[in-house]
This record gives sequence, C-alpha cells and structure tokens, in this order.
Amino acid sequence: GNSVTQMEGPVTLSEEAFLTINCTYTATGYPSLFWYVQYPGEGLQLLLKATKADDKGSNKGFEATYRKETTSFHLEKGSVQVSDSAVYFCALKVGQGAQKLVFGQGTRLTINP
Amino acid sequence: DTEVTQTPKHLVMGMTNKKSLKCEQHMGHRAMYWYKQKAKKPPELMFVYSYEKLSINESVPSRFSPECPNSSLLNLHLHALQPEDSALYLCASSQFRDRFETQYFGPGTRLLVL
Repeated sequence: GNSVTQMEGPVTLSEEAFLTINCTYTATGYPSLFWYVQYPGEGLQLLLKATKADDKGSNKGFEATYRKETTSFHLEKGSVQVSDSAVYFCALKVGQGAQKLVFGQGTRLTINP
Repeated sequence: DTEVTQTPKHLVMGMTNKKSLKCEQHMGHRAMYWYKQKAKKPPELMFVYSYEKLSINESVPSRFSPECPNSSLLNLHLHALQPEDSALYLCASSQFRDRFETQYFGPGTRLLVL
C-alpha cells in the first residue's frame, strides 16, 4: 500500500537555525509528493510539490527534492523564522485525477526568538 | 486565485440536531473533497466528488451525507452525530486533470458535538 513516514515531533529550533524535516514514502506506481503547512487554527496550505524524480519544489525559502532512490522528500529551510511555527505534513498522491492524499503524521515545529 | 471557502467557521450541535457544512470554490475545479481531521492527527479522506458525481466514499457512516449541487458547491449534511465526530472538517478541490494536480484546502469548519 501507499504510506508516508515523517520524523516524530515536536521540533523546537531557534530563529535563523537550519531546518530539516524528514519524510520517506512507500508507493505503488509513481507518486506526486507534497508538503502542506497548517498554522494554528487554520486549514492546510500547499507549501511545495514535486511530481517526478529529481524534481525540486521550493516556496518561501523551503525546499524539498524528490529522491526516488531513497524514496524520500525531506523538507529544508536555511534560516527559520518565528512565523514558520506550524504543523508540516508530507503527503503523496498516486494515480490520475481525483485521488486521496496519503498524509504523514505531521511534524509540529516551534521556532523560538 | 486558489481560494476554497467554508461556512460556518465553527459549529456546535447536539446529537439530535441536523446541520450542514458548506464549501465553495470558483477556480473551475471539477473534483471536490471532504476530509476529517482530529486533533494532532493528519486529515482523513471522507468523500470525493468528480464532475458532481460521488466517486469515492471511504466507508463513512450514513450520519454524514454529502451533496454536490453544482461544480462550485459541496455540502456535508450532518444528522444524529456522536461526540466522537467532533473534529475539523476540511474541504478541498482540484482540477481533475492528471496525476500532477494539487488539492487546495479551505480553512475548515470546527465542529463540536455535545
């Protein structure tokens, strides 16, 4: 089956620290991979995505590279801000059209000033 | 514009009440979704509508009844809910084009069942 494994949280960092949130996946076929972010009390926002091997998604200083050989899609940011405090979900989708997103468990990130 | 709107933002209902959640998008998307999210958990898919037809039902209890009146609107009718149904209900939409498409989420309705 299809599944996503994220690093356990919570993760607490100081402002301007380097961030990595690990994500690995198992999928039948060729998945599209996504990172969504959920700020407190809000819905999910798409942060970035990649649709094929070696693609790099990027947005707001965050990056993730689709690594087929290691089945990974780790999220990185070079210098985090307090405003990055949120829950981050790695997700995959397999198949054409309207299919369900398979989410990881989420990683809660807190950035201290 | 990638906006999905949901109303109401909050809802409190008793176990004998009937209520409805509403979701709207004007991006021309032809697929719409309902997800349920419990606290500190990822969203779980409930239903998918493709071209206004129910295409996926993830074995959701019949006390949840989805409806897609047109391509822009998605409703979730609630009846005789249980306290364990309290959760954040998220609507999403996508183009229904290919495997690369993205689902865009609304802000959610936070439901409390007493």
